[in-house]
Amino acid sequence: AQTVTQSQPEMSVQEAETVTLSCTYDTSESDYYLFWYKQPPSRQMILVIRQEAYKQQNATENRFSVNFQKAAKSFSLKISDSQLGDAAMYFCAYRSYNTDKLIFGTGTRLQVFP
Amino acid sequence: EAGVVQSPRYKIIEKKQPVAFWCNPISGHNTLYWYRQNLGQGPELLIRYENEEAVDDSQLPKDRFSAERLKGVDSTLKIQPAELGDSAVYLCASSLERGAPSYEQYFGPGTRLTVT
Repeated sequence: AQTVTQSQPEMSVQEAETVTLSCTYDTSESDYYLFWYKQPPSRQMILVIRQEAYKQQNATENRFSVNFQKAAKSFSLKISDSQLGDAAMYFCAYRSYNTDKLIFGTGTRLQVFP
Repeated sequence: EAGVVQSPRYKIIEKKQPVAFWCNPISGHNTLYWYRQNLGQGPELLIRYENEEAVDDSQLPKDRFSAERLKGVDSTLKIQPAELGDSAVYLCASSLERGAPSYEQYFGPGTRLTVT
């Protein structure tokens, strides 16, 4: 069975600085997707970024980028130029290529200080 | 475009009472999911529907939980009777029909259930 581990329960960053959130996963599959979701205090989960395992190039969405290391089964999220609105819970998630089921990690709470 | 709608947002009940949650997915989304999110944890899938059919309910505690999706649109998740351990946030999500290689699940705001 696949598992997702987020070893940082909480992280903090100052506004305009850069922060990296860690995620590791375990799978025996070769084709899959990885996601980072953001859950603000209002609780509506929003997709931040997506990575297809077959793509070697790291995904980027504006200030958000990932460092995908397939051999190491690592999938970290880098937030550049952090903003107060980035404060939220961040969840790493895994999905097999041929299923709809998302497997989430336990989340990292990000605080952003002015 | 309206997002996934859930109601109620908050519910407090005594143990052994029944409770129901309602979800209206994004228009045109064939697939609907119910997740349970315990405090300090990530969401865990309870049940997934493709149109009216429940295609994955392996994590649904069937002795007390039930769900339905009439006409393949709105869905209701019910707990009867509720137990203290059912206190959690219940999230609904929807997505386009399976087949797209990188479809996205859109989440609702959730219902926070407290069982006393």
